[in-house]
Amino acid sequence: AQSVTQLGSHVSVSEGALVLLRCNYSSSVPPYLFWYVQYPNQGLQLLLKYTTGATLVKGINGFEAEFKKSETSFHLTKPSAHMSDAAEYFCAVTPGAAGNKLTFGGGTRVLVKP
Amino acid sequence: KAGVTQTPRYLIKTRGQQVTLSCSPISGHRSVSWYQQTPGQGLQFLFEYFSETQRNKGNFPGRFSGRQFSNSRSEMNVSTLELGDSALYLCASTGTGTTNEKLFFGSGTQLSVL
Repeated sequence: AQSVTQLGSHVSVSEGALVLLRCNYSSSVPPYLFWYVQYPNQGLQLLLKYTTGATLVKGINGFEAEFKKSETSFHLTKPSAHMSDAAEYFCAVTPGAAGNKLTFGGGTRVLVKP
Repeated sequence: KAGVTQTPRYLIKTRGQQVTLSCSPISGHRSVSWYQQTPGQGLQFLFEYFSETQRNKGNFPGRFSGRQFSNSRSEMNVSTLELGDSALYLCASTGTGTTNEKLFFGSGTQLSVL
């Protein structure tokens, strides 16, 4: 079974500051990991994913995440926050290449202050 | 290329009724997944269809069902609606449904059960 824990349901950052969203996972098999973003009244958009290979993954909009197996973590970062980054972010896991049965974390809502 | 289209966008029903939601995947995509999003339970996987066959199923009661047509369009049905079924229902599509592929989400159908 898989599970995902996102620390902090709300995060507030100043424009230009570092964005750090934490995600820890539990998986009985090597996981595939994802970060999605959801803007108000919209569906989810994939930011980045880790399947195999390089553990530092770069995504869209300047985001990146690092897979750390020893820490069972997949934290999302962006060096400099922009007002347009205000949204809800979801970490998700799936047990390898087993179809699209994603298990999501509870989400972290990001507020960007000018 | 048109994105994933979900209809209707909003729906209001009363307890005990049934409802059918529709999802048209991106042209050429054969895998369609459904997720339920609520403030309390977050994002939860309902089921996935590939080539008209249910390939994965989440932990939802039998009141929740789905199907996929030969043109890959999918419908989900909820019978005997309960207040707790109020949620945003999201549909997502990929080409063949492997997790190496990007999952494209629709904007969802917001269901309110009164």
